[in-house]
Amino acid sequence: AQSVTQLDSQVPVFEEAPVELRCNYSSSVSVYLFWYVQYPNQGLQLLLKYLSGSTLVESINGFEAEFNKSQTSFHLRKPSVHISDTAEYFCAVRITGRRALTFGSGTRLQVQP
Amino acid sequence: GAGVSQSPSNKVTEKGKDVELRCDPISGHTALYWYRQSLGQGLEFLIYFQGNSAPDKSGLPSDRFSAERTGGSVSTLTIQRTQQEDSAVYLCASSLAAIEYEQYFGPGTRLTVT
Repeated sequence: AQSVTQLDSQVPVFEEAPVELRCNYSSSVSVYLFWYVQYPNQGLQLLLKYLSGSTLVESINGFEAEFNKSQTSFHLRKPSVHISDTAEYFCAVRITGRRALTFGSGTRLQVQP
Repeated sequence: GAGVSQSPSNKVTEKGKDVELRCDPISGHTALYWYRQSLGQGLEFLIYFQGNSAPDKSGLPSDRFSAERTGGSVSTLTIQRTQQEDSAVYLCASSLAAIEYEQYFGPGTRLTVT
């Protein structure tokens, strides 16, 4: 069975600083990888996804994630965060042939002024 | 266009009562999913519908949980004889059949069992 590990439950960071949210997964088969974001009092929103091709994927608001097959990782990064990035971030995997997403436990990003 | 909607947004019920949670997917989305978000378990998959059939029910935690979908649209998740451990936020998501990996989530129903 597949699993997703987000090692950091909370990441405090100052505005304009860089940030990396870590995600590792385990699966014996090919996977699709996702990052979802949940802003306070809002639903889950897809931030970015890796399906195939280039291992570096980007979102429209400056986040990027890189698929590293050898390390089974899909870490999320942003070179300069804003207060508005304060949210909970969930890494998720979907194995090929199955429809369900398996989520990590989430990382709460707290951007401080 | 309209996103996934869920009702009620909040539900408080007494232990032992039955509850029904409703999900209206995005129009035209043939795939529908139920997840549960709780403090102790994180985000867990419950069930997946393709049209009106449920080819994957593997996440339903017990036979007290059931779900149906009618007309390839609205879905209802029913929990019978609720227990305190059922307290959670129940999330619904939908996707186009052709792009199944892009799941769009609703705002959730917060269920509290007292």
